[in-house]
Amino acid sequence: QVQLQESGPGLVKPSQTLSLTCTVSGGSISSGTYYWSWIRQPAGKGLEWIGRIYTSGSTNYNPSLKSRVTISVDTSKNQFSLKLTSVTAADTAVYYCARGLWIAAIYDAFDIWGQGTMVTVSS
Amino acid sequence: DIQMTQSPSSLSASVGDRVTITCQASQDISKYLNWYQQKPGKAPKLLIYDASTLETGVPARFSGSGSGSDFTFTISSLQPEDIATYYCQQYDDLPYTFGQGTKLEIK
Repeated sequence: QVQLQESGPGLVKPSQTLSLTCTVSGGSISSGTYYWSWIRQPAGKGLEWIGRIYTSGSTNYNPSLKSRVTISVDTSKNQFSLKLTSVTAADTAVYYCARGLWIAAIYDAFDIWGQGTMVTVSS
Repeated sequence: DIQMTQSPSSLSASVGDRVTITCQASQDISKYLNWYQQKPGKAPKLLIYDASTLETGVPARFSGSGSGSDFTFTISSLQPEDIATYYCQQYDDLPYTFGQGTKLEIK
């Protein structure tokens, strides 16, 4: 079955760029009507959708983060990535990658999630 | 952005109890609502999509209802393994937004 695994530094300095990669295993990132998302969760708080990418390269971002976010995909490596620039302590959170499945008028949900990776922004 | 408001924020119930959580959207989202379960230290898990359709493999004690702006999530008979935080999420419009969560505890 398809599994997702986040990887990247657990500590990032303020003003620097947070970079994470999500590796998809057990299936091709290019198959099916899927999109690939990043979602984050500060400690003890709720979930915030960051953005998504289709394997065509088309992206959508949360307007609250749009000026700082870039999501990219590397189909040859079965990976997609997140870059968040100019980070502050407010960006400290568990970052999840997730697969979104869309079926017109029937289904649009995050059906598979990575285990999450904690990123702390601190000097 | 569409704001999603859940109530209550926390809930304590006994094993076997019927538990209900509500989720209100700031505008009409038709039936475009999902429910997720998140256990401590784990990623969220999809339980219900399209407001009322059970994801494959999810126990039948979980159910959802509603449309428009008011939705309900119900556990018909609470089990110890249901201890978790539950989130609603709308997919009517981008950005996708989640409710603030309802933390469910055993009394």
